[in-house]
Amino acid sequence: DIQMTQSPSSVSASVGDRVTITCRASQALSSWLNWYQQKPGKAPKLLIYAASSLQSGVPSRFSGSGSGTDFILTISSLQPEDFATYYCQQAYSFPRTFGQGTKVESK
Amino acid sequence: QVHLQESGPGQVKPSQTLSLTCAVSGGSITSGAYYWSWIRQHPGKGLEWIGYIYYSGSTYYNPSLKSRVTISADTSKNQISLKLNSVTAADTAVYYCARDLSTTMTGLGLDVWGQGTTVTVSS
Repeated sequence: DIQMTQSPSSVSASVGDRVTITCRASQALSSWLNWYQQKPGKAPKLLIYAASSLQSGVPSRFSGSGSGTDFILTISSLQPEDFATYYCQQAYSFPRTFGQGTKVESK
Repeated sequence: QVHLQESGPGQVKPSQTLSLTCAVSGGSITSGAYYWSWIRQHPGKGLEWIGYIYYSGSTYYNPSLKSRVTISADTSKNQISLKLNSVTAADTAVYYCARDLSTTMTGLGLDVWGQGTTVTVSS
C-alpha cells in the first residue's frame, strides 16, 4: 500500500493567515492526489483533484500543487469556515489511501 | 444534484454481519462515468477506503478487508450495498458511501458523499 504522510498534524492560525499543508507519498503518484476538507460530524468534501484542479464550487483561496511524492494544499487567506481537518488521498493505485489528517485550529 | 443516503442497523453484535445500503437519488448508478465507493472512519481517526463497485458488478476491495467484505449494486433500486462479516469492535466506525471518479486504476476523487452512518459493534 502507498503510505501518505501529512504535516503538520495540526496548525493554529488566524483568520486571514496563509496556511500550507504538506502531503508526502511513499512512492510517486504523478498527479493522482486529491484533497478533502472535513468538518466535525460531517462527511469529507472534495476540494482539489489531480493535485491542482479546483473542484467546482470550491473557493479560489484553496489551491494545490506538487507532483511525484510531494504535494501542498494552500489556503491563501483563512476564513472562519475553513477551520476543519484536511486529508490528502492518493488515487494512483489500489487500495486508495488517505493521509492521517491535518487539523486547522483557531489561534 | 446527486444525493447519497446510507442506511442500516446502528448496532451489530460481534461475529455477525454488518449490512448497509446506500440509496442514490438524482442520478443513476448505471451512469458509466462513475464508480461507487465505501469508506469508513473509526472514532476520532482518519479515513479508510473499503472498496468500490462499478454498476456492472466489477469490484475492488481493500486487501485488509477483502476476506470479509462484499459490495454489490442493485440497478433496479439504484442502490449500493456493503456487507462486512465476522465483525469485531475494531469495525466500529462511521461508514460512508461516495461517488468515485475513478477508472480501473487512477482516480479524480470522491466528489459526492453520503452523510454517513454510525455502526457500533457491541454485544
